Amino acid sequence: DQQVKQNSPSLSVQEGRISILNCDYTNSMFDYFLWYKKYPAEGPTFLISISSIKDKNEDGRFTVFLNKSAKHLSLHIVPSQPGDSAVYFCAASAYNNAGNMLTFGGGTRLMVKP
Amino acid sequence: ETGVTQSPTHLIKTRGQQVTLRCSSQSGHNTVSWYQQALGQGPQFIFQYYREEENGRGNFPPRFSGLQFPNYSSELNVNALELDDSALYLCASRTGGASSYEQYFGPGTRLTVT
Repeated sequence: DQQVKQNSPSLSVQEGRISILNCDYTNSMFDYFLWYKKYPAEGPTFLISISSIKDKNEDGRFTVFLNKSAKHLSLHIVPSQPGDSAVYFCAASAYNNAGNMLTFGGGTRLMVKP
Repeated sequence: ETGVTQSPTHLIKTRGQQVTLRCSSQSGHNTVSWYQQALGQGPQFIFQYYREEENGRGNFPPRFSGLQFPNYSSELNVNALELDDSALYLCASRTGGASSYEQYFGPGTRLTVT
């Protein structure tokens, strides 16, 4: 049972344009959502997060939108840069006995072309 | 500030053997989680340690076990290795507060079971 899904395995975008990465979840108990970026041979790097009480969080070129009714979140990167090329993971958390464990999606590979 | 470190970076083992992976948490972090990332998938939660006690576990069999030491470093032990245990093993640390969700990952240990 995959509780967090990223349905697009890859995305190709031209430098300077907007990149939109999508994520869907099924567990209504999730109360915090995070995006991580991963380069080859490195661990995932925290990018941006959003609490379930908000619908938008912005940090520089990165904005995360949360639609609770649709159980959907998206990451917008604008403008996209070649250095943004990486695998992006959506993750969700629900405070329970496991203490804020993260449930990850399968990832989306973003390629930003110069 | 020292980030999360893991050792070794790569490891090759034979089916049936046992393996120990090590992790040093980021300075100031007292909670350590372990994740398994199979090729082409997102990380999957194995377990979490807080104050030297396991306080959360994912869907992994008992042959996956761990320890946390007083300096908050941690070990992941896997007994009776199987071919499907081949994966990238990621360690993540965070502060232990209930409102703390962001986890910071190490570079991982690539385990190959032959």
